[in-house]
Amino acid sequence: ETGVTQTPRHLVMGMTNKKSLKCEQHLGHNAMYWYKQSAKKPLELMFVYSLEERVENNSVPSRFSPECPNSSHLFLHLHTLQPEDSALYLCASSQPGRRGDYNEQFFGPGTRLTVL
Amino acid sequence: AQKVTQAQTEISVVEKEDVTLDCVYETRDTTYYLFWYKQPPSGELVFLIRRNSFDEQNEISGRYSWNFQKSTSSFNFTITASQVVDSAVYFCALSEERDSGNTPLVFGKGTRLSVIA
Repeated sequence: ETGVTQTPRHLVMGMTNKKSLKCEQHLGHNAMYWYKQSAKKPLELMFVYSLEERVENNSVPSRFSPECPNSSHLFLHLHTLQPEDSALYLCASSQPGRRGDYNEQFFGPGTRLTVL
Repeated sequence: AQKVTQAQTEISVVEKEDVTLDCVYETRDTTYYLFWYKQPPSGELVFLIRRNSFDEQNEISGRYSWNFQKSTSSFNFTITASQVVDSAVYFCALSEERDSGNTPLVFGKGTRLSVIA
């Protein structure tokens, strides 16, 4: 596997279910990100992890719970979601450089989530 | 606060036409980074270019070219001799320098480009 992979690619869940999205990066990066992309809103940054520590949490509801066990893996645990949470969830990774030396983020293919 | 505006929601062109995608940004920082990404129907965002605020040189890569103008806070993207494979949603993004070294991106709403054969 190369680049950033995400599983599953598609997920349908009920509002009472608990599920997890998985992201894995094979690029040796030490920062990982979760984004939400819905039809109504542009790409929204949800969480940022740097060296397995959460450094940014953009007012995301607690029904979304991220986990970063190591620098290569990132999870998004979902529980009691709402239909409006249906969206494409994208994972990305990057190798932040020194101050003033920023590298681009590499994205996975996304998980298309539908909440019934 | 940082903001990216892509005023063109959808553009349709006939193959071989040139097309320019507009991007206007807002930032209070003097050091920032601008990006363009392409999102084909498969969903994955593909990185196209990064430009830092101190480098206003325009760049050309094959049929792609970028025009960065700080005076108008714009970072426009032109595709020359468009092809059907260029059909995708294109996102412009901005990040500001942080001590942490991370690069949280703020994206525009994207421009959907359809190239018709």
